[in-house]
Amino acid sequence: DIQMTQSPSTLSASVGDRVTITCRASQSIGSWLAWYQQKPGKAPQLLIYKASSLQSGVPSRFSGSGSETEFTLTISSLQPDDFATYYCQKYSSYSWTFGQGTKVETK
Amino acid sequence: EVQLVESGGGLVQPGGSLKLSCAASGFTFSTFSVSWVRQAPGKGLEWVSAITVTGITYYADSVKGRVTISKDISKNMVYLEMNSLRVEDTAVYYCAKHLTPHWEIDTFDIWGQGTMVTVSS
Repeated sequence: DIQMTQSPSTLSASVGDRVTITCRASQSIGSWLAWYQQKPGKAPQLLIYKASSLQSGVPSRFSGSGSETEFTLTISSLQPDDFATYYCQKYSSYSWTFGQGTKVETK
Repeated sequence: EVQLVESGGGLVQPGGSLKLSCAASGFTFSTFSVSWVRQAPGKGLEWVSAITVTGITYYADSVKGRVTISKDISKNMVYLEMNSLRVEDTAVYYCAKHLTPHWEIDTFDIWGQGTMVTVSS
């Protein structure tokens, strides 16, 4: 089974900071990678799909890049509403696997 | 408005059974695959099962043989029947619509609010 590993697990940042989260796959997954944001008590929200495609309605400060085994989610200028937990997800080979999550908290 | 609403969660004893329901509205249900994803208290997301447009089903190893996903297109409903429940099955269960029509393997763009399943004696 393909494992997804996110880093860091926790990230302390301030409003206006540029934030980068990394997701690594144990095997190549092409570009079949999505990113989600989840706030406490809420369902996850899709941010990025196919590694770099911005989901409709998602602010342009969010961007994704990468392919094969290494991917990044970047928030260009962190906003108050962005403090949350972020998950990567691979979707390929008839299975779906999430990373363990990265919590973005206030510095 | 595209919407998914889960129901059927509750408290069940270890070894017991439960059937979750997911009501879909606001989109052409018959053209999208649907998955169930769970989240144990304080933990991350775990994909559980998927059912495709053509009715093909997929299961995570952790639930294979204990869980059955099904759908009723006439009612725009997806179900997750869970048997031989274990304490470690305790979680919020979400149903989620796949992004692209007719694609079997895809990410999820719409999620329900979730339904809590607690397995405890």
